[in-house]
Amino acid sequence: DAGVIQSPRHEVTEMGQEVTLRCKPISGHDYLFWYRQTMMRGLELLIYFNNNVPIDDSGMPEDRFSAKMPNASFSTLKIQPSEPRDSAVYFCASSFESSGNTIYFGEGSWLTVV
Amino acid sequence: QKEVEQNSGPLSVPEGAIASLNCTYSDRGSQSFFWYRQYSGKSPELIMSIYSNGDKEDGRFTAQLNKASQYVSLLIRDSQPSDSATYLCAVNRDNYGQNFVFGPGTRLSVLP
Repeated sequence: DAGVIQSPRHEVTEMGQEVTLRCKPISGHDYLFWYRQTMMRGLELLIYFNNNVPIDDSGMPEDRFSAKMPNASFSTLKIQPSEPRDSAVYFCASSFESSGNTIYFGEGSWLTVV
Repeated sequence: QKEVEQNSGPLSVPEGAIASLNCTYSDRGSQSFFWYRQYSGKSPELIMSIYSNGDKEDGRFTAQLNKASQYVSLLIRDSQPSDSATYLCAVNRDNYGQNFVFGPGTRLSVLP
């Protein structure tokens, strides 16, 4: 079974540029999560979707961040414009409610904004 | 007060010893609790989940939950160098949803 697939795995971009991170959840999963991990703040939930509908976006740091889930097999997290403080590992994760609350993480997108 | 707290470590134990990792949470209504392991440069992976007070054992791992004290722990018996990783405690704040909050993690080092 393919796990959660994220792209790109690594991205280095200049401040002010737009960054788009992509995620394909595990087939059949009805929840999708975007997390950000830094040394200072740990693993933070940014937003999560249920059946493609955003449920809680209170963790989205500011208007520069946006996330979409146009269908059950694809989601994007966009940062526009990017800033150096956005440098982090961004994890996408998915779960199936009946699986007992187990969430499965992708390998992460390592973002560096210079 | 943070929602989920853990000692950041590092916690160092000799090979073969018992490693004890602790976690406290602030939301008394939380119902489900999880331990994830994260190797350096990798994504978190689930080790244990626990929903009821008491102990739950899975191989060398034992999760302990005390809802009255708002406390969750993970014991690793016969620790191996391959157990060296960061251990994240996670709490689901929703009874019916999937609103997970992670602690900052405890870094464990098992010394050969």
